[in-house]
Amino acid sequence: EIVLTQSPSILSLSPGERATLSCRASQTVRVNSLAWYQQKLGQAPKLLVFGASNRATGIPDRFSGSGSGTDFTLTISRLEPEDFAVYYCQQYSGVLPWTFGQGTKVEIK
Amino acid sequence: QVQLQESGPGLVKPSQTLSLTCTVSGDSIDTDAHYWNWIRQHPEKGLEWIGYIFHTGVTHYNPSFESRAVISIDASKNHFSLNLTSVTAADTAVYYCARAAILVASRYFDPWGQGTLVTVSS
Repeated sequence: EIVLTQSPSILSLSPGERATLSCRASQTVRVNSLAWYQQKLGQAPKLLVFGASNRATGIPDRFSGSGSGTDFTLTISRLEPEDFAVYYCQQYSGVLPWTFGQGTKVEIK
Repeated sequence: QVQLQESGPGLVKPSQTLSLTCTVSGDSIDTDAHYWNWIRQHPEKGLEWIGYIFHTGVTHYNPSFESRAVISIDASKNHFSLNLTSVTAADTAVYYCARAAILVASRYFDPWGQGTLVTVSS
């Protein structure tokens, strides 16, 4: 099983600031099969990024993903009020079970 | 637009079987294109993949659930289901269904259902 460790657990920032979220895998995530999801209170997770760096349809370009191998990053260039939420990374490589990180909460400072 | 909708009892007694159904609209589940998944989220906690089913009936489960979870499919009703046996309070969670493409590079979960809270309590 690939264990995904996200850091930090909580990120306290102000609107307009840059957010940098990390996701580290316990073994190589092949084919960069790494996705990021945003979850707001009471809602299902929403796909933001797939393939480590590809934005999903309709996702603003202030969201960007990067990384490969075992280290991945989600960057939100300028936080908007609607971006304060919990973010999860997930690996969907050929190694089952598919797993999620424990989440990073981006909260208003 | 593809939509998934979970349904089933919101309250299950300990030791009984949790049964949920995911109805898909805007897409046929009877194709070679997708896996159909169940995922759960404990209150205030993270996400856990339970397993998937392919339209042929082929399934794969998270080893954490393999002895208790059964996923089935009914193409005539365009829905798939989850049965989780011998539930305990630890199975109290929001249960989601989600679609994943079959291509290795596209097996992310999109879209998701809205989720349904199942509470295990006597």
